[in-house]
Amino acid sequence: DAGVTQSPTHLIKTRGQQVTLRCSPKSGHDTVSWYQQALGQGPQFIFQYYEEEERQRGNFPDRFSGHQFPNYSSELNVNALLLGDSALYLCASSLVSGHGRLGSYKNIQYFGAGTRLSVL
Amino acid sequence: AQRVTQPEKLLSVFKGAPVELKCNYSYSGSPELFWYVQYSRQRLQLLLRHISRESIKGFTADLNKGETSFHLKKPFAQEEDSAMYYCALQELDTGNQFYFGTGTSLTVIP
Repeated sequence: DAGVTQSPTHLIKTRGQQVTLRCSPKSGHDTVSWYQQALGQGPQFIFQYYEEEERQRGNFPDRFSGHQFPNYSSELNVNALLLGDSALYLCASSLVSGHGRLGSYKNIQYFGAGTRLSVL
Repeated sequence: AQRVTQPEKLLSVFKGAPVELKCNYSYSGSPELFWYVQYSRQRLQLLLRHISRESIKGFTADLNKGETSFHLKKPFAQEEDSAMYYCALQELDTGNQFYFGTGTSLTVIP
């Protein structure tokens, strides 16, 4: 089991461009969460996907959007990039137990190595 | 609002000395609390969670609801404990969102 994999590992974009980051969850996991980690800061929750729907969202603008595919993999899209979007983007997968939009969430999150995005 | 506060960005202790990494949280509901660790050149990984009441690599953490704290402790620090430590809170009552602290970089001096 390769664990959580993210691609690409590094990315350089310019202001105004759009970017797509990808995440494959750990085998058996059905939930993917995305985080932004700026230099010297802890991870900040962007959103979480379960059953191909966004079930929870942090304090991030609509420029940040995502998608989850039937195989549970996920994409994070950021439009109209700003210099301040430069950060390490982390994906974490977990297995939700229970059902429904607010199902219980007992399993731990496994993190990927992240994608380092630089916006010039 | 900052849900998780780690007051020390840097902490240095000598090998064999006790270590305590502080974590305070702000949440009126029932939180689930975690400590995550990131060793050099490795990904973020779970160290322990309060509901498990486990001791991992000699580390323990007790949830103190009165003081809203979840400090991480180890009686005798080892060089291999040098890493970045993040305290995290999960809001179980309002959708399971995670909040991380800013992290404490622990250096164990040989």
